[in-house]
Order: sequence, then structure tokens, then C-alpha cells
Amino acid sequence: SQTIHQWPATLVQPVGSPLSLECTVEGTSNPNLYWYRQAAGRGLQLLFYSVGIGQISSEVPQNLSASRPQDRQFILSSKKLLLSDSGFYLCAWSAGTGKFFGPGTRLTVL
Amino acid sequence: GQSLEQPSEVTAVEGAIVQINCTYQTSGFYGLSWYQQHDGGAPTFLSYNALDGLEETGRFSSFLSRSDSYGYLLLQELQMKDSASYFCAVRPRTGANNLFFGTGTRLTVIP
Repeated sequence: SQTIHQWPATLVQPVGSPLSLECTVEGTSNPNLYWYRQAAGRGLQLLFYSVGIGQISSEVPQNLSASRPQDRQFILSSKKLLLSDSGFYLCAWSAGTGKFFGPGTRLTVL
Repeated sequence: GQSLEQPSEVTAVEGAIVQINCTYQTSGFYGLSWYQQHDGGAPTFLSYNALDGLEETGRFSSFLSRSDSYGYLLLQELQMKDSASYFCAVRPRTGANNLFFGTGTRLTVIP
């Protein structure tokens, strides 16, 4: 069966600091991978998606970037965090009609 | 673009039936999905309607009417553990299997 891992689970970072969130998928090959962000009490916003190694599409212009160095690894990064970057970051992969989400990383920027 | 509207909050009694509506405006999509998210957790996939009509999965059913730009999630025999946020989502015909999510409905089940 497929599993998706994210770490860290929670993170508190000061404004202006860098960010690196990692997502790995097991049990599938060449998955479509996604990064979503969810602000408190809000819906999910797609940030990036990737259909393969080195292939990244950005949905929302912002100070975040994503990379896919390996087939089952998807990384979300920032050089300088903003207060507005606080939120719940979810990695997901798609299988047919459904999407399956990782456990998420709760980021608080102070 | 896409726009999906849901009621922000719904309260229902344990054992009852509740319907969560989703109205949408979209330029074209493959199907309507529903996700459940408990506080602090990740969304989990519940159901998918590719065609108009009712899809039933245990206590949960989902309905889609493309002509009315409308869908709903029906939860029967409500249990306390059903208290969660529920999101409808569409998969647009553009983009790599992307999902565009609705605003979400927070369901509270009371005894």
C-alpha cells in the first residue's frame, strides 16, 4: 500500500528565516505530487504540483519554491519566511480520482 | 476559473441525517469529490462523482447535478466522530490532476 510521509509535524520559525519541508511517498512510482497550504479555518490552496523529477508547476506566485530531486521526494522551500506563510502544509499524491494527503506540517511564523 | 461555495457551519443531532451542499461555478471539470478533515488532521478522501446521480458508500452518499451546478454530501446515522470539516472539490479539465477545493463546512454532531 502507498504511504506518504511529511516532516516535521510542527515548526515554529521567525520571520525572515529559511524553510525546508520534505515529503516522501512509498509504494508507488512516478506519482503526481502536490503541495497545498491551508490557513486556519480555511480551505486548501494548491501551491505546487509535479508530474516527475525536476518538473514543477507553480499555481500561486509567492516567496515559496518547490523541488523534486527524486521520484518520490517533494520539497517545499523558502529563502525568507513571511508572517503570511503560517499555515498547515499538506503534501499529496494522486491516484485516479482521489488524492491522498500526508499528515501535514503546521508552520507558525513569528 | 473555479468557485465552490459551501455553508460554513452545520449542526446536527447524533443519529440524524445531514446534507452538506456544494454549489459551483467552473469552466469545466471531470468530477466532484468530497473530503473529510478532522481538527489538526489531513483531509481524507470520501467519495467521487464523475457522473450525475447518487454514489453511496456506507453511511455516506454523494450527489452531483451538472445541469444545476450543484452537489451534496449526505451523512446518515450520524455519529459523534463525524464531527469534522467537509470539503467539496472539483478536478478542472486543465492542469495535472489538480483539485480545486470549496470553502469547507464544519459539521458539529451533538448528542
